[in-house]
Amino acid sequence: GAGVSQSPSNKVTEKGKDVELRCDPISGHTALYWYRQRLGQGLEFLIYFQGNSAPDKSGLPSDRFSAERTGESVSTLTIQRTQQEDSAVYLCASSPWEASQYFGPGTRLTVT
Amino acid sequence: AQTVTQSQPEMSVQEAETVTLSCTYDTSENNYYLFWYKQPPSRQMILVIRQEAYKQQNATENRFSVNFQKAAKSFSLKISDSQLGDTAMYFCAANFGNEKLTFGTGTRLTIIP
Repeated sequence: GAGVSQSPSNKVTEKGKDVELRCDPISGHTALYWYRQRLGQGLEFLIYFQGNSAPDKSGLPSDRFSAERTGESVSTLTIQRTQQEDSAVYLCASSPWEASQYFGPGTRLTVT
Repeated sequence: AQTVTQSQPEMSVQEAETVTLSCTYDTSENNYYLFWYKQPPSRQMILVIRQEAYKQQNATENRFSVNFQKAAKSFSLKISDSQLGDTAMYFCAANFGNEKLTFGTGTRLTIIP
């Protein structure tokens, strides 16, 4: 079956612009996660959805970051007024009930 | 604090040999899940193996196996008969019961032909 998909694959934007990153989870997976991976580093948790509610937003680095999810489907991560330190790969993962998370290919964001 | 530590930034091994990647963690939880993920240059994170903390038996998946030492809070990954396609970054991760994954900083593994 289809895995987690993310779009766009790459995004270059100017400092100060807003960007939207999209994640399509595996069908039937109730949980969805966003992580950020800076160059050469491990993954940092951003936000977690169970259905369309977000029980844990503790990883969002500032109020410029927000995310939404439609039911148990698509999620969008929005970064407003992008800064150069926002440059990273943004990874989405989804999970059924048994705790294993399955990742998408990520969106590489470059802020110039 | 709940942490995951990988102390080997880089490793290399000859093709067909066995290699072990180390991971330690810290938590006060008794029930949790541990994972190894592989990230090749394509940047796709691939789940390699998982271990439930309540299970004493070490998980195995074909050439991949773990050595889970709960008391020592250690979770190493052994790759047997290593292949060129095993070249990648390997991340140790844990779900300490709060749903999100906590990751180590990764080990870059190179398989030498």
